[in-house]
Amino acid sequence: QKEVEQNSGPLSVPEGAIASLNCTYSDRVSQSFFWYRQYSGKSPELIMSIYSNGDKEDGRFTAQLNKASQYVSLLIRDSQPSDSATYLCAVNDPRKTSYDKVIFGPGTSLSVIP
Amino acid sequence: GAGVSQSPSNKVTEKGKDVELRCDPISGHTALYWYRQRLGQGLEFLIYFQGNSAPDKSGLPSDRFSAERTGESVSTLTIQRTQQEDSAVYLCASSSGQGGVYGYTFGSGTRLTVV
Repeated sequence: QKEVEQNSGPLSVPEGAIASLNCTYSDRVSQSFFWYRQYSGKSPELIMSIYSNGDKEDGRFTAQLNKASQYVSLLIRDSQPSDSATYLCAVNDPRKTSYDKVIFGPGTSLSVIP
Repeated sequence: GAGVSQSPSNKVTEKGKDVELRCDPISGHTALYWYRQRLGQGLEFLIYFQGNSAPDKSGLPSDRFSAERTGESVSTLTIQRTQQEDSAVYLCASSSGQGGVYGYTFGSGTRLTVV
């Protein structure tokens, strides 16, 4: 079982819809969770971090964490064509007690159709 | 600086040559990471430095790859005797302390093409 898993996509949603991106992780002791956005040909950019169960909202983005189910998601409300990108889920490396490093998932490609 | 700076942005080299890639992290960031991203693929961890601690080299794919960092400043990633499979974008990232808590800031990358 891979440590951080995501559906590779592509996920296509119409403009204005809610895009739902999902991520599962294998180690129950993980504590820090991140979402990065990577536009084609660009480097990843941190857009959300979440550390406790529940929802965290930032503008049109909501991160959801369920540690019991080892599941983290990213919801994008009112999706725009400019949201079209690959979204990377990252989890702190549980083998590193000092929380120095994260493990990245393979990413989900999102396409927002005008 | 304002962001993570990487140079060169593009590098084309002949198979068998050595290349050196440079990363200048955000001022004050103690943690520095190198990743490799092949076309259409995910991020592959290579190495990270945390302050003056011994680097975590667990991701280096072969002994042709090495990296150095002087204190909490610039890092160089060296690839010796380059092979075509080394062609990729090499990304550097830095973090203010624990990257697993605060997240990373990435540079714009160096696109390496081995011909």
